[in-house]
Amino acid sequence: DQQVKQNSPSLSVQEGRISILNCDYTNSMFDYFLWYKKYPAEGPTFLISISSIKDKNEDGRFTVFLNKSAKHLSLHIVPSQPGDSAVYFCAASGGAGGTSYGKLTFGQGTILTVHP
Amino acid sequence: DGGITQSPKYLFRKEGQNVTLSCEQNLNHDAMYWYRQDPGQGLRLIYYSQIVNDFQKGDIAEGYSVSREKKESFPLTVTSAQKNPTAFYLCASSRSGNTDTQYFGPGTRLTVL
Repeated sequence: DQQVKQNSPSLSVQEGRISILNCDYTNSMFDYFLWYKKYPAEGPTFLISISSIKDKNEDGRFTVFLNKSAKHLSLHIVPSQPGDSAVYFCAASGGAGGTSYGKLTFGQGTILTVHP
Repeated sequence: DGGITQSPKYLFRKEGQNVTLSCEQNLNHDAMYWYRQDPGQGLRLIYYSQIVNDFQKGDIAEGYSVSREKKESFPLTVTSAQKNPTAFYLCASSRSGNTDTQYFGPGTRLTVL
């Protein structure tokens, strides 16, 4: 049972344009969401997170949007740069005290390619 | 400087042998985690530890064992009972076992021949 899904295996974008990466989840107990960036044969690097009490969080070129009613989150990268080319994972965590305390559930990842 | 180290980067073992993967952190984090990544898949949780001398099974713990004798260290043993051990193994830590962000090490690529 895939509780976190990234339905687009890959995304190709021109440099300077916006990249939008999407993520859907099914578990209504999730209340903390994160995006990680990963290069091959390296560990994921934390990018940005959002708590379920918010619907938007921004950090420089990266903005995460959360739509709780649709159980959907997205990562916007503006403007996209060739160095952004990597695999992007979304992850979700349940609240403190729940059975998923501290555990992250990851999506399958989306390969982003930014062309010069 | 602070961080998470995993060694070695690449590891080769013969089928039927146990192998232990190292994970050390100097971030003073309470919680540590082990994940496995297979091609085209997300990360799957093997074991996690929220505090020293305590750990819990994750989603795919069968064939693995861990220990947490020190706050800084969380070694993972891949036993011969693990049916498909070849994978990329990632260790992570977080300040606490709550909704804190997890930070990852560089990973160990294990290949069982």
